Amino acid sequence: KAGVTQTPRYLIKTRGQQVTLSCSPISGHRSVSWYQQTPGQGLQFLFEYFSETQRNKGNFPGRFSGRQFSNSRSEMNVSTLELGDSALYLCASSLRETSTDTQYFGPGTRLTVL
Amino acid sequence: AQTVTQSQPEMSVQEAETVTLSCTYDTSENNYYLFWYKQPPSRQMILVIRQEAYKQQNATENRFSVNFQKAAKSFSLKISDSQLGDTAMYFCAPGNTPLVFGKGTRLSVIA
Repeated sequence: KAGVTQTPRYLIKTRGQQVTLSCSPISGHRSVSWYQQTPGQGLQFLFEYFSETQRNKGNFPGRFSGRQFSNSRSEMNVSTLELGDSALYLCASSLRETSTDTQYFGPGTRLTVL
Repeated sequence: AQTVTQSQPEMSVQEAETVTLSCTYDTSENNYYLFWYKQPPSRQMILVIRQEAYKQQNATENRFSVNFQKAAKSFSLKISDSQLGDTAMYFCAPGNTPLVFGKGTRLSVIA
């Protein structure tokens, strides 16, 4: 089975712009979670989608949003980019039949905001 | 809120030796899993091992094993016969979705 894929792998944007990141889960997985990783804050949960519905949301401003499509692929969007949004954005997928399902991660998208 | 503490920011070990990474946590959940992930320089998060909280037997995966003490809320990772490819950041994540990660332990395996 193919693993979790994320596109693009690298992205450079300037302050004020918006960006869309994409994640394709492992075939059969219905849940997609997004995490932000920075040197200062570590790994922080952004949100989780299951069957096109947001199931959980982390403590991030409304500039961060996401959605999930009927094929379980997910996108996250960040509007009005700030320098502090520079981070590695990781997507993880799971079956999510229970809350204890294992999450499998993609390679991440490295976002740099100038 | 769940908290996860990895008290060793950095560790090093000689090739072929054994090393133990510690993790303590606090959770109000009763039924949960615990995970160790590694993140090598490529930044890909890779599942190393997982433990079911309701199982008393400690999980083992080849050279990797855990010491799970549920009452003490402790979940350490032991790596036996360390290899150069084990050099990575290791993150502990006890609990259910969404995962809460520790700050990580940077492990260097020295030849």
